[in-house]
Amino acid sequence: DAGVIQSPRHEVTEMGQEVTLRCKPISGHDYLFWYRQTMMRGLELLIYFNNNVPIDDSGMPEDRFSAKMPNASFSTLKIQPSEPRDSAVYFCATTLAGVSDTQYFGPGTRLTVL
Amino acid sequence: AQTVTQSQPEMSVQEAETVTLSCTYDTSESDYYLFWYKQPPSRQMILVIRQEAYKQQNATENRFSVNFQKAAKSFSLKISDSQLGDAAMYFCAYSIGGNYQLIWGAGTKLIIKP
Repeated sequence: DAGVIQSPRHEVTEMGQEVTLRCKPISGHDYLFWYRQTMMRGLELLIYFNNNVPIDDSGMPEDRFSAKMPNASFSTLKIQPSEPRDSAVYFCATTLAGVSDTQYFGPGTRLTVL
Repeated sequence: AQTVTQSQPEMSVQEAETVTLSCTYDTSESDYYLFWYKQPPSRQMILVIRQEAYKQQNATENRFSVNFQKAAKSFSLKISDSQLGDAAMYFCAYSIGGNYQLIWGAGTKLIIKP
């Protein structure tokens, strides 16, 4: 298996622009998590899905952030409009319920908002 | 509150020696899983080892082993024969069985001296 795939790996944008981060989970995994990692706040859970349905989005910092999972093979995290404080590494992770509780992470997207 | 504490922000060890990273956690649940993840400079989050709370036997993966003390809520990671490639941030985490969300520690930076 190719593992969790994220794109792009790096994104540099200007304040006010829309940013879309993408994630392809491991085939068959039914839970998908979006995290944000910064030096100041460490690793934060933003939102997670089970069988494509958002279960808990209480970690989403504000309305500028939205996430979707239109099917079992694809999820997006969108920031609109972006701000410099959104600069961080964004991770997608997936797991298969009832097997091992282990989350497998993608390589992350490093976002820089100028 | 569910928390994970890694009391050592940074550790250093001579190559080929053994090092132990500490982790304590707080939960009232009886069914949970414990994890150590490694994050090298490439920023990829890699699973090192996992432990089911119901298992008394400590998990081992090659040079990596844990000392799981359930009553003390302690879950330390021992790395034997340290190698330069072990240099990374190490995160301790746990999840409640069936919940799949991970509660994370702040991380320990491990430096390997050649």
